[in-house]
Amino acid sequence: GEQVEQRPPHLSVREGDSAVITCTYTDPNSYYFFWYKQEPGASLQLLMKVFSSTEINEGQGFTVLLNKKDKRLSLNLTAAHPGDSAAYFCAVSANTGYQNFYFGKGTSLTVIP
Amino acid sequence: GPKVLQIPSHQIIDMGQMVTLNCDPVSNHLYFYWYKQILGQQMEFLVNFYNGKVMEKSKLFKDQFSVERPDGSYFTLKIQPTALEDSAVYFCASSLLGGSYEQYFGPGTRLTVL
Repeated sequence: GEQVEQRPPHLSVREGDSAVITCTYTDPNSYYFFWYKQEPGASLQLLMKVFSSTEINEGQGFTVLLNKKDKRLSLNLTAAHPGDSAAYFCAVSANTGYQNFYFGKGTSLTVIP
Repeated sequence: GPKVLQIPSHQIIDMGQMVTLNCDPVSNHLYFYWYKQILGQQMEFLVNFYNGKVMEKSKLFKDQFSVERPDGSYFTLKIQPTALEDSAVYFCASSLLGGSYEQYFGPGTRLTVL
């Protein structure tokens, strides 16, 4: 089945610096990619949904890059602020079979003021 | 935005007892999911449910686990009997359809088995 590896498990950056979180996956049928943010004690909030056809996706203050050849998905926070401190999870779904989500182990991001 | 509700938010029970976790999914969603998250660890898929049936379950979905959604009411996860290793936060999610449709997550139920 699908294996999703997420790195790093913990990341600490200063306010204004960039932060990069990366996921690699194994299933070549993976087609839909998601980034979720989980603040302490809260549930997961969808940051962005990415389709296999688009390699660069921009949101508010972050960019998601998809490299299908290397099976790598990354979340780049361009200028982190303390409100970005949270756990971030990638999720991958195929366009075949039951289309379940497979989550990475998560990255705990701390932004130091 | 769409909200998934979970009841209760916390549950403390003794090992061996039965527990039922309740989820009120987004009203027009058709797919329902349960995930388990042990403190500080990743979200792990337990089961998904569609059209009144379990579609897929993981190795974590032990024989002591069951799910149902009778007549459009709560989508429930029942654990009977509970074990110490069942202590975790259980998240319910729902999606309109599978695959490309994002899952909306509830706030979780923190289960503590003593």
